[in-house]
Amino acid sequence: GAVVSQHPSRVICKSGTSVKIECRSLDFQATTMFWYRQFPKQSLMLMATSNEGSKATYEQGVEKDKFLINHASLTLSTLTVTSAHPEDSSFYICSAAEGGRPGWVTDTQYFGPGTRLTVL
Amino acid sequence: AQKVTQAQTEISVVEKEDVTLDCVYETRDTTYYLFWYKQPPSGELVFLIRRNSFDEQNEISGRYSWNFQKSTSSFNFTITASQVVDSAVYFCALLTQGGSEKLVFGKGTKLTVNP
Repeated sequence: GAVVSQHPSRVICKSGTSVKIECRSLDFQATTMFWYRQFPKQSLMLMATSNEGSKATYEQGVEKDKFLINHASLTLSTLTVTSAHPEDSSFYICSAAEGGRPGWVTDTQYFGPGTRLTVL
Repeated sequence: AQKVTQAQTEISVVEKEDVTLDCVYETRDTTYYLFWYKQPPSGELVFLIRRNSFDEQNEISGRYSWNFQKSTSSFNFTITASQVVDSAVYFCALLTQGGSEKLVFGKGTKLTVNP
């Protein structure tokens, strides 16, 4: 149980294009999903918290207009990197937690396999 | 503020050796949760264990064991008889109920098990 999938696993795009990454919880309903970014040999940096049916909460310094998050259902959240530039190249990882109520997450987060984005 | 410190950046051992990965946390909350995740070269974070602040019992799962000591704010992870497949980056993380409710990660410890 507790499987989270991410698609695509790897994407290469040209500068200026937009890229959408999907995160799905396969065997449980995720009230809350999280998006992280990880640079080489570094820890995970939380970008935003996404609650089903409501707007995402972004961390300080993360541009909400650049990283669009949609959590349309209890099993799907998407991250769209708009007008991507080389500095957006990174490893993006999502996680999903069942949670008791939106914004109150004490459940274990299960992580997707990640998406490696390369912007040329 | 919440903080997790993994002082060991990299550890290298020979197969069958035991190895302990250290984790020290900081929080003022009385209710919190500690986690260990494994990140193999493929990149996916694999959940290993979750422990809440009211349960100080040590846990053993196969070759893995965890030592939770509230007195020293530590949650150390030991792999017994290490194997090459244990090679990965291991992250310790903290989640507090009264704080930001966000998972705070340590910087990770890269474990290399050589044959």
